[in-house]
Amino acid sequence: DGGITQSPKYLFRKEGQNVTLSCEQNLNHDAMYWYRQDPGQGLRLIYYSQIVNDFQKGDIAEGYSVSREKKESFPLTVTSAQKNPTAFYLCASSFRDKSDRQHFGDGTRLSIL
Amino acid sequence: QKEVEQDPGPLSVPEGAIVSLNCTYSNSAFQYFMWYRQYSRKGPELLMYTYSSGNKEDGRFTAQVDKSSKYISLFIRDSQPSDSATYLCAMSGLDAGNNRKLIWGLGTSLAVNP
Repeated sequence: DGGITQSPKYLFRKEGQNVTLSCEQNLNHDAMYWYRQDPGQGLRLIYYSQIVNDFQKGDIAEGYSVSREKKESFPLTVTSAQKNPTAFYLCASSFRDKSDRQHFGDGTRLSIL
Repeated sequence: QKEVEQDPGPLSVPEGAIVSLNCTYSNSAFQYFMWYRQYSRKGPELLMYTYSSGNKEDGRFTAQVDKSSKYISLFIRDSQPSDSATYLCAMSGLDAGNNRKLIWGLGTSLAVNP
C-alpha cells in the first residue's frame, strides 16, 4: 500500500543532543513537508521541498535542518539550537499542483529527557 | 487578523446529530479548500476537497464553500462515535514570497456521545 512512514513513533532527546526524524513516502510525490503541532497552535510549517536537492524554510525553521537527497526521503534534524523541541512532528507529501492536497504520516512525538 | 479562523470547540453532540463545522478566511485568492480529520496521536487524513464555490457530498459528509462570504463548512449527517476527532480546515494560497502553501485552521475538537 502506498503511504508515508514516519519513524520512530516516540523519541526522547537529551539536552545538547541532535536527533533525526525519518520520513519516507512511496506515493511518487514530488513535494514533501515537515510540520510541528503543539496544543492550541495548529500546524506550523518547518521546512518544505518541492524537488530533490532543494528545500525552503517554512515559518519556524530556526533550530531545524533537512536534506532531500532522494525523492522518497525527507529527514528532519532537530538540533540542540531548538530550545523547545517537545512537540508532535508531522511529515506530509503532495504532487506539485495548485491544490496542494497533502497526505500525512502518523507523526513522531519528541520529548526532552 | 489570522488568514483562517476556526473555532477550536470542543463541540459535543449526541449520536445521530447533524454536525456543522466552519471556517472563515480573509484572502479572496484562495481557490482550493480542504477538510482533514485527525484522530488522537495520528496524522491528519484528507476528508473532503473542493475547488471554488459550491457543495460537494461524500456519504454522510458535505463540504460547502461560499467565496462571497469567505466561509466554508463541513456537515456531518447521522454522526457516529467514530466521528469523534479534530477537524482541520485548510486552504491553498500564496505566501508573501509568492510560493504556494496550505494555510491551516487551528482545528475543531468534536466528541460524538453514544
